[in-house]
Amino acid sequence: EIVLTQSPGTLSLSPGERATLSCRASQSVSSGHIAWYQQKLGQAPRLLVYGASGRATGIPDRFTGSVSGTDFTLTITRLEPEDFAVYYCQQYFNSPVTFGGGTKVEIK
Amino acid sequence: QVQLQESGPGLVKPSQTLSLTCTVSGGSITSGAYYWSWIRQPAGKGLEWIGRISIIGSTDYNSSLESRVTLSIDTSKNQFSLKLNSVTATDTAVYYCARHSGLYFFDFWGQGTQVTVSS
Repeated sequence: EIVLTQSPGTLSLSPGERATLSCRASQSVSSGHIAWYQQKLGQAPRLLVYGASGRATGIPDRFTGSVSGTDFTLTITRLEPEDFAVYYCQQYFNSPVTFGGGTKVEIK
Repeated sequence: QVQLQESGPGLVKPSQTLSLTCTVSGGSITSGAYYWSWIRQPAGKGLEWIGRISIIGSTDYNSSLESRVTLSIDTSKNQFSLKLNSVTATDTAVYYCARHSGLYFFDFWGQGTQVTVSS
């Protein structure tokens, strides 16, 4: 199965700053079959990005996904107070679908 | 807007069978070319996909759980279900149901239900 490694484990930033979250796949994930989710404490994950760079319905444009080879990036251009949460990447290139270990974005 | 809601016992004894149901509202479970999955998350840990079922009942399971998992669907009740047998403490987790298209990204999720395996 494809292993996704997310880094950093924790990102300490202030509101208004830029967040860059990384997700590296253990093998090629063709056609950018990567999604990103946001999860707040006690809530289900929420889909942010799919197809590596497509924004889900209702997601603000400060969330941007990109890809370079087997490295995938989620960028939050200017952090809003509601953006502090845990973020997961997920690959759906092959079965079983797998998730990364998550990056926690916390208030500095 | 589609909504999903998990239901089932919150406490299961070791070696017994965990049974959960996901009820879909706001639309028919047969509308569109969607699949219906179960995902779980142990406390403080990441997400693990368990398996998925189509509206005609075809299934795909995570190989790590395949020997213990059965998914089923009841389109007349707009529900799909999970059975996980021979549970141990390592099966303690929040269990989510979720929807996806032919591409396996999950656009709608249930709120999750905590299942604890303990005697």
